[in-house]
Amino acid sequence: ELKVEQNPLFLSMQEGKNYTIYCNYSTTSDRLYWYRQDPGKSLESLFVLLSNGAVKQEGRLMASLDTKARLSTLHITAAVHDLSATYFCAVDIDSNYQLIWGAGTKLIIKP
Amino acid sequence: DAGVTQSPTHLIKTRGQQVTLRCSPKSGHDTVSWYQQALGQGPQFIFQYYEEEERQRGNFPDRFSGHQFPNYSSELNVNALLLGDSALYLCASSQESGTGVCDTEAFFGQGTRLTVV
Repeated sequence: ELKVEQNPLFLSMQEGKNYTIYCNYSTTSDRLYWYRQDPGKSLESLFVLLSNGAVKQEGRLMASLDTKARLSTLHITAAVHDLSATYFCAVDIDSNYQLIWGAGTKLIIKP
Repeated sequence: DAGVTQSPTHLIKTRGQQVTLRCSPKSGHDTVSWYQQALGQGPQFIFQYYEEEERQRGNFPDRFSGHQFPNYSSELNVNALLLGDSALYLCASSQESGTGVCDTEAFFGQGTRLTVV
């Protein structure tokens, strides 16, 4: 059974700091997604990582994928308050969009 | 393009009742997946519909059933509701390529918040 583990589950940080969220998964997969969810809202796609070594960046967020280590990271650079949200990673079984999700990382960025 | 739309947005039901949730996929998308997200947790895959058939199913009991219509819209039905069925139900649509691999990202609707009392 595929398991996806995120850590930390909760992160409180000051604006301007850097931090990394980790996503480990237990079986082979070449497709990994990062989503953002604001309280009471739906899921917003951030990154789609489709191959080993993939790195994508958007603003202050950068995601990478190491399929050999079964590890993805979401790095936050010089955090700002607007990035406060819950971040999920999700792994695609069989590349057909049956996603297995991590528990989420609740990120709070204090001014 | 309205994107993925779900209805209703909120719903309150009594234990033992039945509920139907609806989803209209993004224009051009033909595959619909349903997820259950309990409060404070990550989404759980319920099932996926393609060509009007259930193609994949997660670890959910038979009380959860679905349907896809020729226009690609979908319904999720839950019978004999339990308190534990209270959750945000999310619909995601995607486009299937001819090879059987979904090669575009999926888009999520705003969800239906179901409360069972």
